[in-house]
Amino acid sequence: RKEVEQDPGPFNVPEGATVAFNCTYSNSASQSFFWYRQDCRKEPKLLMSVYSSGNEDGRFTAQLNRASQYISLLIRDSKLSDSATYLCVVREGSYIPTFGRGTSLIVHP
Amino acid sequence: DVKVTQSSRYLVKRTGEKVFLECVQDMDHENMFWYRQDPGLGLRLIYFSYDVKMKEKGDIPEGYSVSREKKERFSLILESASTNQTSMYLCASSSPSGSPREQYFGPGTRLTVT
Repeated sequence: RKEVEQDPGPFNVPEGATVAFNCTYSNSASQSFFWYRQDCRKEPKLLMSVYSSGNEDGRFTAQLNRASQYISLLIRDSKLSDSATYLCVVREGSYIPTFGRGTSLIVHP
Repeated sequence: DVKVTQSSRYLVKRTGEKVFLECVQDMDHENMFWYRQDPGLGLRLIYFSYDVKMKEKGDIPEGYSVSREKKERFSLILESASTNQTSMYLCASSSPSGSPREQYFGPGTRLTVT
């Protein structure tokens, strides 16, 4: 079975901190990678795609390491509003993405 | 603005009832999905559809069926609801073409079976 593994956390960090999450995947044929954010009792929403060369969107940086089969998400200068569950998503190239179980982030004052 | 809507946010049904969960998307997406989400288990795929009248089983199809008569609508049916089907149900859609083919989710239906 194709697996996507995440540390469930919670990661408890103060405002302004830098925090990083990793996600490992088992299927070496995976082609597409994403980070989704899910707020409590809400639906998941795309945070960012992850490209081979790495990509940045404001305070968020995503990296892909194909050799070691993991992706990462780095959040700089954490805000209270960053508190959420972050879902790692991997797709082989078919229609079906595989979701990790999510990493919980709590940013406190 | 893209939109996926689900017929109910909260639903309470009795054991043995037949339950219909409706999902509609306005993005002309070919692919539609039904997931359930439970604490500690993450999102689990129940069924998906890549075209009208086409359906494929996901990881946990037992006790469920689906219907896709129109491109924009994907229904999940619990033939005889049981208490272990109490869960959050999420519908999603995506386009098979283009990049990055992200999924758009509906707001979810929290189903309680008593």
